[in-house]
Amino acid sequence: GAGVSQSPSNKVTEKGKDVELRCDPISGHTALYWYRQSLGQGLEFLIYFQGNSAPDKSGLPSDRFSAERTGGSVSTLTIQRTQQEDSAVYLCASSFRGAHSRDEQYFGPGTRLTVT
Amino acid sequence: AQSVSQHNHHVILSEAASLELGCNYSYGGTVNLFWYVQYPGQHLQLLLKYFSGDPLVKGIKGFEAEFIKSKFSFNLRKPSVQWSDTAEYFCAVNAKSGNTPLVFGKGTRLSVIA
Repeated sequence: GAGVSQSPSNKVTEKGKDVELRCDPISGHTALYWYRQSLGQGLEFLIYFQGNSAPDKSGLPSDRFSAERTGGSVSTLTIQRTQQEDSAVYLCASSFRGAHSRDEQYFGPGTRLTVT
Repeated sequence: AQSVSQHNHHVILSEAASLELGCNYSYGGTVNLFWYVQYPGQHLQLLLKYFSGDPLVKGIKGFEAEFIKSKFSFNLRKPSVQWSDTAEYFCAVNAKSGNTPLVFGKGTRLSVIA
């Protein structure tokens, strides 16, 4: 596809369950980013991948959050033992070059996660 | 660490009014600066960016922003807003070196009324 895609678009889960969110970046983009968007909180940076490695994991809010990227392409964000405060829209973005470049980040539509 | 402040949480304007959204950042080194926009129900998309040269940057849909280094500011302006400009606007900054990713402000919601 031409843009960044994310799945599922919506996810409702019970507190304590694990969830996996998927991101397909634009083909050829080396950098991939995960953000969390909560009402009134703007975009909170979670993690960034350059290729398959994650030089910056500083934004992950707790050890319940993890992410991986395989083959320099698809990425999965996993949240274990979900809590109600994890409810948010999780956004993925990709860019051609790395985090410190001037390259535009292209955003996906997001996954709206609701923890009940 | 870098941080970005957008002082206006919600701005309401009438059509044809002029717009200025404030953005200030804190970082001692050289930076790239961006404004992103999120229209209702749509993805975040780039409005404009500054990385060097003329500090007055023009973007899509008649928007412009001015980088004032001495004030650590990158305010967004538009001389005459339209109803279709209703959206949320995010300022973002990244350092030109190192691995620090893009840092976003909390956003300003713009509502344009007829």
